Amino acid sequence: AQRVTQPEKLLSVFKGAPVELKCNYSYSGSPELFWYVQYSRQRLQLLLRHISRESIKGFTADLNKGETSFHLKKPFAQEEDSAMYYCALSEKGGGNKLTFGTGTQLKVEL
Amino acid sequence: SQTIHQWPATLVQPVGSPLSLECTVEGTSNPNLYWYRQAAGRGLQLLFYSVGIGQISSEVPQNLSASRPQDRQFILSSKKLLLSDSGFYLCAWSPGQANQPQHFGDGTRLSIL
Repeated sequence: AQRVTQPEKLLSVFKGAPVELKCNYSYSGSPELFWYVQYSRQRLQLLLRHISRESIKGFTADLNKGETSFHLKKPFAQEEDSAMYYCALSEKGGGNKLTFGTGTQLKVEL
Repeated sequence: SQTIHQWPATLVQPVGSPLSLECTVEGTSNPNLYWYRQAAGRGLQLLFYSVGIGQISSEVPQNLSASRPQDRQFILSSKKLLLSDSGFYLCAWSPGQANQPQHFGDGTRLSIL
């Protein structure tokens, strides 16, 4: 069965420091991976997806099939990056079902 | 553009009472629809999903049920609520094509007394 693991419940960094939110997955096929973010008092929203290979709000994520990882990175953290981040894996087949990790709370301190 | 509406935002219900949470999507046709429960420290658990009217797939056995009476309407129900049904419920939609991202509503905070 597929699985998404986010080992850190809480990650605290100082403003301007690099950020790396870890995500590992297990899946028997070719994965489709996403990062979602939930800012305080806002709805859960898509941050980026691996197939787009884009940078959103300074964040990037590279799929490493050898390490089965999809870590989210940003070179310089900003205070507004403080939020809950979820990694998610899309199942093949009908329904576009997602398997979510348990989430990492990122706190950027001044 | 597409929008998703979910209501009510908060609900307090006594044990044993019925439940109906509603979710509607605008600006798209034949979306996939989803109900999740979000628990602190446990991520999002998929409860039900639907790929079309009247088509419901249940992911976990529980006291809840879902229905899709119209193309863009998804309802989460229970005949008799249990204390363990308390939680934060999220509705989401995605386009019908494969590997498309999901888009979430604001959620409903359900408290059972």
